[in-house]
Amino acid sequence: DTEVTQTPKHLVMGMTNKKSLKCEQHMGHRAMYWYKQKAKKPPELMFVYSYEKLSINESVPSRFSPECPNSSLLNLHLHALQPEDSALYLCASRPGVGLFRGAQNEQFFGPGTRLTVL
Amino acid sequence: GIQVEQSPPDLILQEGANSTLRCNFSDSVNNLQWFHQNPWGQLINLFYIPSGTKQNGRLSATTVATERYSLLYISSSQTTDSGVYFCAAKETSGSRLTFGEGTQLTVNP
Repeated sequence: DTEVTQTPKHLVMGMTNKKSLKCEQHMGHRAMYWYKQKAKKPPELMFVYSYEKLSINESVPSRFSPECPNSSLLNLHLHALQPEDSALYLCASRPGVGLFRGAQNEQFFGPGTRLTVL
Repeated sequence: GIQVEQSPPDLILQEGANSTLRCNFSDSVNNLQWFHQNPWGQLINLFYIPSGTKQNGRLSATTVATERYSLLYISSSQTTDSGVYFCAAKETSGSRLTFGEGTQLTVNP
């Protein structure tokens, strides 16, 4: 299994809803990432988990709440989002953690969840 | 943090043509990746190439780390090559992958 999976593929939610995005990988990777991508822009890093612990939070608003229940699973809980939060949310994973050389550094991305906030 | 610049921003080709995409980065890197983002948003890994040259079918890439640039070559382009090509780099002392703005490639039949 050499892929990162994300569910759902599409999500439409109102500003008062609570929803969750799910990401899964079974490659034994020890770092997992959430990115946000707006149309015609590159992905922007939101959160990094290393060995299931949050290591980087890029000053993301608290209405986005990440969770890493185990080494294969990463969730992003959404609450009270704004229409400007509509975007493609990408999950990624990497084999190694820290200052590695070689293939331990390569990041692999899931297909994304396209989120629309009404 | 590291700066990553890609050129050209847009490229339109006829099917069968060759092209070269460029990525300049501002610092020493221990990760440089090229991705193709398809129309559905999936980021597909093309190359992991912090240095050297690699080839995969009609695609090849070269990174000259000492001069801080990487090139992606696409030969005999096909309409399915259309999409956005991103270069992303992680500086040796850093912890995050920084993306360039991308090159939007359109291959016409």
